[in-house]
Amino acid sequence: DIQMTQSPSSLSASVGDRVTITCRASQFINTYLNWYQVKPGKAPKLLIYASSVSLRGVPSRFSGSGSGTDFTLTISTLQPEDFATYYCHQTYNTLWTFGQGTKVEVK
Amino acid sequence: EVQLVESGGGLVKPGGSLRLSCVASGFTFTSHNMNWVRQAPGRGLEWVASISTTSDYIYYTESVKGRFTISRDNAKNSLFLQMHTLRVEDTAIYYCARGFVVLPAVDYWGQGTLVSVSS
Repeated sequence: DIQMTQSPSSLSASVGDRVTITCRASQFINTYLNWYQVKPGKAPKLLIYASSVSLRGVPSRFSGSGSGTDFTLTISTLQPEDFATYYCHQTYNTLWTFGQGTKVEVK
Repeated sequence: EVQLVESGGGLVKPGGSLRLSCVASGFTFTSHNMNWVRQAPGRGLEWVASISTTSDYIYYTESVKGRFTISRDNAKNSLFLQMHTLRVEDTAIYYCARGFVVLPAVDYWGQGTLVSVSS
């Protein structure tokens, strides 16, 4: 299986901060990398697919980049509604795997 | 509006069985691959199984192979997960998840159904 390692596991930030989350794959996955936002008690929400393509309706402050094995999710200006847990997700092969998650908490 | 409504979760003893169901509405069910994804208490997301639009292609995560069976009934817009020989470590919220048509991903999720495996 392809292992996905996110860092950090958690971070504390303030509204207005720039936040960067990284995700590393254990092998080459091209750009088959998606990002999800999960809030307690709510269904996960797809933010970005194919490493850098934002789903329609996702605020422009969310952006993704990377290819091969190293990927980044950036929130340019953190908003109150962005405190959540973020997961990367590889779909390079038919055996999908998720990162362990990064919890963005209030500083 | 896309809706995915899961049911069938509950408390079961180790070694027991459960069948999860997911009824889809608000979109053309036959156009989408479907998936089950779970989240154990305090843990991250884990992909469980995927099924293609006509059930020709089915995939499972290693830990459930031989115990779980994913299936779908396109006439009833329904997705299923038959779970046998349940283990304590299968305890999780199980989400029905719609495959994104553009690229492999999940673009809609249900609210989930809780499966608890305990003696």
